[in-house]
Amino acid sequence: QPQLRESGPGLVKPSETLSLTCTLSGDSLNSGSTYWGWIRQPPGKGLEWIGNTRYSGGPYYNPSLKNRVAISVDMSRNQFSLTLTSVTAADTAVYHCVRPVNHSFDIWGQGTMVTVSS
Amino acid sequence: DIEMTQSPDSLAVSLGERATINCKSSQSVLDSSTNRNYLAWFQQKPGQPPKLLIHWASIRESGVPDRFSGSGSGTDFTLTISSLQAEDVAVYYCQRYSYPHMYTFGQGTRLEI
Repeated sequence: QPQLRESGPGLVKPSETLSLTCTLSGDSLNSGSTYWGWIRQPPGKGLEWIGNTRYSGGPYYNPSLKNRVAISVDMSRNQFSLTLTSVTAADTAVYHCVRPVNHSFDIWGQGTMVTVSS
Repeated sequence: DIEMTQSPDSLAVSLGERATINCKSSQSVLDSSTNRNYLAWFQQKPGQPPKLLIHWASIRESGVPDRFSGSGSGTDFTLTISSLQAEDVAVYYCQRYSYPHMYTFGQGTRLEI
């Protein structure tokens, strides 16, 4: 069973850029046509899809974040990354990397908490 | 924008009794070319990531107990737990996929004993 693990700073200042990395183990990012993505969850709130990508296509982003978000793949390290620019307190959340399959998400990382604060 | 509305927001059910959670989409989730409803259900326990229970409205994931079932089509869907167990206490989310590439979650339903 593939596993995903998020890493990155837990604290980001307002107006700066949030950068997170997801490391895949037990599978390869270039296997088949698999997409990989990110979902976030503000404290005590619901889930919001951020975007998906794969080595051979995409990326696709939530329109509400499209102007600030980028997802990229590093095949050499078997990692994919999330970049979110111009962050505000509203971007404070647990960020999960995920594997989309069958129009849903079957594998989730444990998540990493990112707080936006000065 | 497509909206997903779950009801109720919270639910208390006795052990061994049936629990029913509803999810309504503002637009149909049925893909007429495949005849599949792109609707999924997740279970989230405190401190854990969501766990996929059901995809395509009624297909249970491997390892998910058969007391969990999904039904519905078009815009109205239901997650049913036939006989509530203590370990089923969680928040449940529905989620839809819509073309060209968008995923939307319901607000969640908190299930308690």
